[in-house]
Amino acid sequence: GENVEQHPSTLSVQEGDSAVIKCTYSDSASNYFPWYKQELGKRPQLIIDIRSNVGEKKDQRIAVTLNKTAKHFSLHITETQPEDSAVYFCAAKISNFGNEKLTFGTGTRLTIIP
Amino acid sequence: NAGVTQTPKFQVLKTGQSMTLQCAQDMNHEYMSWYRQDPGMGLRLIHYSVGAGITDQGEVPNGYNVSRSTTEDFPLRLLSAAPSQTSVYFCASGGGETDTQYFGPGTRLTVL
Repeated sequence: GENVEQHPSTLSVQEGDSAVIKCTYSDSASNYFPWYKQELGKRPQLIIDIRSNVGEKKDQRIAVTLNKTAKHFSLHITETQPEDSAVYFCAAKISNFGNEKLTFGTGTRLTIIP
Repeated sequence: NAGVTQTPKFQVLKTGQSMTLQCAQDMNHEYMSWYRQDPGMGLRLIHYSVGAGITDQGEVPNGYNVSRSTTEDFPLRLLSAAPSQTSVYFCASGGGETDTQYFGPGTRLTVL
């Protein structure tokens, strides 16, 4: 089955700097890659996702890049703010009818230092 | 539109007790799933369902049962609780054309 590895497990950055979280996946058939943000005591919430037919996607201060050849994808947060402090999870799945299983990475705890 | 709801929010059980964690969604999603979240281990899939009457095992199914009699509800049953089942449990629904999955608020379970 699919295996997703996520690095680093913890990350501290100064407010205003950029943060990058990286994930690798094992199954070359995976074609949907979401990122979830989980604040302390809350549920995971989708912040951005990318499909294998595009290499990059942006939404304001966050962006995701995908390298299908190397089987890795990354989350980029620019101009970080205190409210960006949370745990971030990457995930991967093969997007086709009847297969909805997401495989998650182990998470990155991001701390923004004021 | 309440999205995905879970009850209870907190539960304490003694070893050997049984209980059912409830999950419901009002978005008419065919796909529903249960995850457990443990420190340092991310979200691990317990069971999932692609529609009423259809369920399958995920990564860590032992000790848990599920059923899906309606599109809206997907309860998770712990048959005989063990301390190793102490965790936070999340239900999720979604998938289909958009692929997006939505999580419920979670149930924090402690087994003594």
